[in-house]
Amino acid sequence: SQQGEEDPQALSIQEGENATMNCSYKTSINNLQWYRQNSGRGLVHLILIRSNEREKHSGRLRVTLDTSKKSSSLLITASRAADTASYFCATDEKTGKLIFGQGTTLQVKP
Amino acid sequence: EPEVTQTPSHQVTQMGQEVILRCVPISNHLYFYWYRQILGQKVEFLVSFYNNEISEKSEIFDDQFSVERPDGSNFTLKIRSTKLEDSAMYFCATRGMNTEAFFGQGTRLTVV
Repeated sequence: SQQGEEDPQALSIQEGENATMNCSYKTSINNLQWYRQNSGRGLVHLILIRSNEREKHSGRLRVTLDTSKKSSSLLITASRAADTASYFCATDEKTGKLIFGQGTTLQVKP
Repeated sequence: EPEVTQTPSHQVTQMGQEVILRCVPISNHLYFYWYRQILGQKVEFLVSFYNNEISEKSEIFDDQFSVERPDGSNFTLKIRSTKLEDSAMYFCATRGMNTEAFFGQGTRLTVV
């Protein structure tokens, strides 16, 4: 079954605007993580939110988690052209594996 | 900052040949993973490895795949008889207990 489905699949915004990406999942999790991937490169960890947390901040990033709705959102505020990348949520299942969603491709236009 | 190192960065191989992808995990990490990403698609889980054995594997990880940690440091993924559809980026990831995963830069495998 699919886990960690992101929405939207693609997002194009102007520099300075905020970008919001959503992620839904199906099973119980230990935590949920967001990763960034520049084209053709490896994944870089952005932020981890545990199942007992509701919101977490890291610089311009804000992540929320609603375990009752099995959903999470990633907000990037005051976006920059350098934020252009693909963003993936990954659910940390109780078995210990990370399952990634399809990702959201974000383009920030200067 | 500690990092996961993968070699080679790019491997071109003939269909039917065996390939071995190598990963040097971050020391003291407990969990090791291989993922693959076909061009333009999502990152797919292949296998997780803990305490020197496979803890979980996906349906993609069939009999042509194997993993091992031969010398207690390197973590390898072997594909015995490559197919065209094995062409993808292969990522190694490692993590501690209940922490984020650190990914290597990946190996781009091209099967011709």
